[in-house]
Amino acid sequence: DTGVSQDPRHKITKRGQNVTFRCDPISEHNRLYWYRQTLGQGPEFLTYFQNEAQLEKSRLLSDRFSAERPKGSFSTLEIQRTEQGDSAMYLCASSFGRTTNEKLFFGSGTQLSVL
Amino acid sequence: AQKITQTQPGMFVQEKEAVTLDCTYDTSDPSYGLFWYKQPSSGEMIFLIYQGSYDQQNATEGRYSLNFQKARKSANLVISASQLGDSAMYFCAMSPTDKLIFGTGTRLQVFP
Repeated sequence: DTGVSQDPRHKITKRGQNVTFRCDPISEHNRLYWYRQTLGQGPEFLTYFQNEAQLEKSRLLSDRFSAERPKGSFSTLEIQRTEQGDSAMYLCASSFGRTTNEKLFFGSGTQLSVL
Repeated sequence: AQKITQTQPGMFVQEKEAVTLDCTYDTSDPSYGLFWYKQPSSGEMIFLIYQGSYDQQNATEGRYSLNFQKARKSANLVISASQLGDSAMYFCAMSPTDKLIFGTGTRLQVFP
């Protein structure tokens, strides 16, 4: 399988716990994106990386959220002290990163439920 | 402000018929891209079609075509010969920069 891979597919946690999600992009892709999608809404941009560098963060990304891409390959998204409002689908996407207006390739997402 | 608007929360179409899903956008950038993605119940976003703001012709990809009207800032998706497997959420998106901005989506249901 050469697509974008996300792990886990589902995560149930209690309020106040920390969670971490992993994304493995398509191997030759330089850009990696994180989006959040709540029920009935389109995906909302959270942050993106060009290789190891985190180039942009949305105001949606509070200080409880941190994303890393240490070697320019896989990425992790950590949410500390989870809140019920964090319940959503977290989508990862990647692209070649050679030009603007490139299409993104998405993974199947991690569904987070905070109880 | 950069925004995508999809005014149809849900659409029904009979198998083998054509259907148009509406999308309007707002941006002041002269260069941008317009995309349509399909999201089945499995959750993965599947790329369907792309239109560049400077493209003179409407994009087509198999049964999908994008009706691009720049002056009206609209980028409607036309699906011809609908199939039962086309039932899904459809999202219009725009990239004035390096990221995509999505609309709220349209749920398409194809019935026999």
